[in-house]
Amino acid sequence: NAGVTQTPKFRILKIGQSMTLQCTQDMNHNYMYWYRQDPGMGLKLIYYSVGAGITDKGEVPNGYNVSRSTTEDFPLRLELAAPSQTSVYFCASSYSFEGSNQPQHFGDGTRLSIL
Amino acid sequence: KNQVEQSPQSLIILEGKNCTLQCNYTVSPFSNLRWYKQDTGRGPVSLTIMTFSENTKSNGRYTATLDADTKQSSLHITASQLSDSASYICVVSSTSGTYKYIFGTGTRLKVLA
Repeated sequence: NAGVTQTPKFRILKIGQSMTLQCTQDMNHNYMYWYRQDPGMGLKLIYYSVGAGITDKGEVPNGYNVSRSTTEDFPLRLELAAPSQTSVYFCASSYSFEGSNQPQHFGDGTRLSIL
Repeated sequence: KNQVEQSPQSLIILEGKNCTLQCNYTVSPFSNLRWYKQDTGRGPVSLTIMTFSENTKSNGRYTATLDADTKQSSLHITASQLSDSASYICVVSSTSGTYKYIFGTGTRLKVLA
């Protein structure tokens, strides 16, 4: 089982460049999430989606955009990369609402450096 | 403010020894509490999920406890192995608010041979 797959695994960007972080899941989960993990900090929610065509902002959405055209895919777009966006980005999915006993399934992350 | 605090920040133990990691939270209203294991360079993997009514849950050598009255949880690792070296993250979920999963900063465990 592939689970949640993120690409690329590593990327270096110059300030002002744009890129898309890809995330796909093969578990038919409705809920998908993007987090960033900075050293010494807990994961912070960037955007989330409760189903195809539905997205909403999380705690730290500035500088990012998302789309959810299919159940499987949830790409994260950086339009104008800034050094503050240097981080490790995790995509996750879950079968149902956080009130349930279903775990979130995480990808292995994209390590992004903005220079 | 909803917060999850973990202690210690880091821990070194010898292989075969037991250890206990702590998680205190101020999340309200509480839905459930999760422990995840995150290996270096990998994404978090779920170990246990406990609801308000559960006070113990095990997954192999991992046993989580929950005291909903004092808002404390612990993760006990028995007979540690080298492969237990990882970060352990406590996550509390709430049924209200936008950011429904509140993540702790983790405890970094190193098991030495």
